[in-house]
Amino acid sequence: DAKTTQPNSMESNEEEPVHLPCNHSTISGTDYIHWYRQLPSQGPEYVIHGLTSNVNNRMASLAIAEDRKSSTLILHRATLRDAAVYYCILPNTGNQFYFGTGTSLTVIP
Amino acid sequence: NAGVTQTPKFQVLKTGQSMTLQCAQDMNHEYMSWYRQDPGMGLRLIHYSVGAGITDQGEVPNGYNVSRSTTEDFPLRLLSAAPSQTSVYFCASRPGRRRQTEAFFGQGTRLTVV
Repeated sequence: DAKTTQPNSMESNEEEPVHLPCNHSTISGTDYIHWYRQLPSQGPEYVIHGLTSNVNNRMASLAIAEDRKSSTLILHRATLRDAAVYYCILPNTGNQFYFGTGTSLTVIP
Repeated sequence: NAGVTQTPKFQVLKTGQSMTLQCAQDMNHEYMSWYRQDPGMGLRLIHYSVGAGITDQGEVPNGYNVSRSTTEDFPLRLLSAAPSQTSVYFCASRPGRRRQTEAFFGQGTRLTVV
């Protein structure tokens, strides 16, 4: 099963874009890339997912490298409410989600 | 639409006691899972179910039992609680087998074993 690597923490100024990287060098051709985030004292919530093409939704954008060995979650204008732990996940062969430690995002007012 | 509901929200147990954490979803999802999250850590998969009557072990199954008699409910049982099981427990559900489906999480049960 493919594994992901993310920086432990990142900081961003409020209202500036944030680029959260994820490396998944052992990804297979059928692995979807999922991103979830966990606000303080809450359960994780879905952010976005993709397979090959870049994806956009109301929360964020997902940029996937051409070789699919890495991806970047883009928050276009960080707000204080975006302070959370962000998890990059590739469902395993049993289609289960295994979480790493994620990236803790701090947004500076 | 309630989504994924976990009860209780908080629980304190004495070592050796047993209890059941409840999880219910009203979205007719096939997949349900239980995770635990220790302070400063990511979520770890305990047990999961791909449909009624079918369960399997995740990363950290020891000390926990599950069953899935209905699509809606997926209870997690602690047979003899230990301090090492102090954690926040999250239940999740997903529509089905496809890898692109979104997971929905409950708000968690904070368990303390003394």
